Amino acid sequence: DIQMTQSPSSLSASVGDRVTITCQASQDISNYLNWYQQKPGKAPKLLIYDASNLETGVPSRFSGSGSGTDFTFTISSLQPEDIATYYCQQYDNLPPNTTFGQGTKVEIK
Amino acid sequence: EVQLVQSGAEVKKPGESLKISCKGSGYSFTSYWIGWVRQMPGKGLEWMGIIYPGDSDTRYSPSFQGQVTISADKSISTAYLQWSSLKASDTAMYYCARQSLFCTSCYNTWGQGTLVTVSS
Repeated sequence: DIQMTQSPSSLSASVGDRVTITCQASQDISNYLNWYQQKPGKAPKLLIYDASNLETGVPSRFSGSGSGTDFTFTISSLQPEDIATYYCQQYDNLPPNTTFGQGTKVEIK
Repeated sequence: EVQLVQSGAEVKKPGESLKISCKGSGYSFTSYWIGWVRQMPGKGLEWMGIIYPGDSDTRYSPSFQGQVTISADKSISTAYLQWSSLKASDTAMYYCARQSLFCTSCYNTWGQGTLVTVSS
């Protein structure tokens, strides 16, 4: 099974700061990597799909990059409404399986 | 509007059976994979499995194979997640989610979640 290592587990940043979260896969997953935002008490929301594509309606301050085993999620200018936990998610088709990263809790300093 | 509406919260005793539901609307239910995701209290997301309602093709995470059953009734646009014998460790929020057609195994529509509490 493919393992995902997401870091950091939490971070505190100021409004307007650039925030970066990383996910590392235990083997090559091409660009089969998605990013979600989950606010407390709410269902997750898709932000980035296939490593770098912005989901429709998602603000452009969110972005993703990477391929193979190393992936990065960035908030270019942190806003108060971005307080949430962010998860990466990878897909493996042999056997069909999906794994989420451990999550990164983002707080305002 | 595309929507997934899940059944309400459940409180059950260990050993009891349970079936929770996820009703799709606003789209062709038979044309999109529906997945189920577990979130234990204070913990992260765990993918459980997925079903294609068009032909009931079902895939399970190795971690959940044999522990739950995923099914769908396309005549009423509803997917199900069921347990035959609940354990306290099944206490969690369960989400259904629809895969997008435009990406590799990403989920762009989610249900509101069903909280399952298993306690004696």
